[in-house]
Amino acid sequence: DIQMTQSPSTLSASVGDRVIITCRASQSISSWLAWYQQKPGKAPKLLIYKASSLESGVPSRFSGSGSGTEFTLTINSLQPDDFATYYCQQYNPHSFTFGPGTKVDIK
Amino acid sequence: EVQLVESGGGLVKPGGSLRLSCTASGFTFSSYSINWVRQAPGKGLEWVSSISSVGTYIYYTDSVKGRFTISRDNAKNSLYLQMNSLRAEDTAVYYCARVVGSSWYWMDVWGQGTTVTVSS
Repeated sequence: DIQMTQSPSTLSASVGDRVIITCRASQSISSWLAWYQQKPGKAPKLLIYKASSLESGVPSRFSGSGSGTEFTLTINSLQPDDFATYYCQQYNPHSFTFGPGTKVDIK
Repeated sequence: EVQLVESGGGLVKPGGSLRLSCTASGFTFSSYSINWVRQAPGKGLEWVSSISSVGTYIYYTDSVKGRFTISRDNAKNSLYLQMNSLRAEDTAVYYCARVVGSSWYWMDVWGQGTTVTVSS
């Protein structure tokens, strides 16, 4: 199966900062990547699918890019509501794999 | 409102059994594959099992094969996860999630989760 890594594992940032999270796949996955946000005690929330498509209702300060093996999630002008853990996800035939997560906390 | 609601979690002894349920509303349940995804305390997300829209195709992660059984009743808009021979490492919050896409898939609607604790 394809393995996913994320960097950094933790990121400290301030409100208004631009934040970039990287997700890497162990082999090419074209543009087949999704990003989720999870807050403590809550279910994950879909942000981005197909690497760069913004889910309906998600603020435009979130964007995704990349293809092949390297992908990024960018949050422009970080807001207080954005402090959370972010996961990437890809689909193997008949299974799903998540990255280990990146926690964005307050500097 | 599109919604998934899990239930059935609880405390169970190692070797015991538990049946989780996930009830859907606000969309045509029978048109979608559904996943179970779990999250152990302080850990990341782990896919557990998938079932296709009418139950034809079923898949499991290796660690639960032979112990867990996923099923669905489209007439009741419900998904189930029968968990047998439970182990301490099955302790987690279990989420059901709607699967979308074609040829490549992601999850666009998630339930709030139900907590399973396996402990003596």
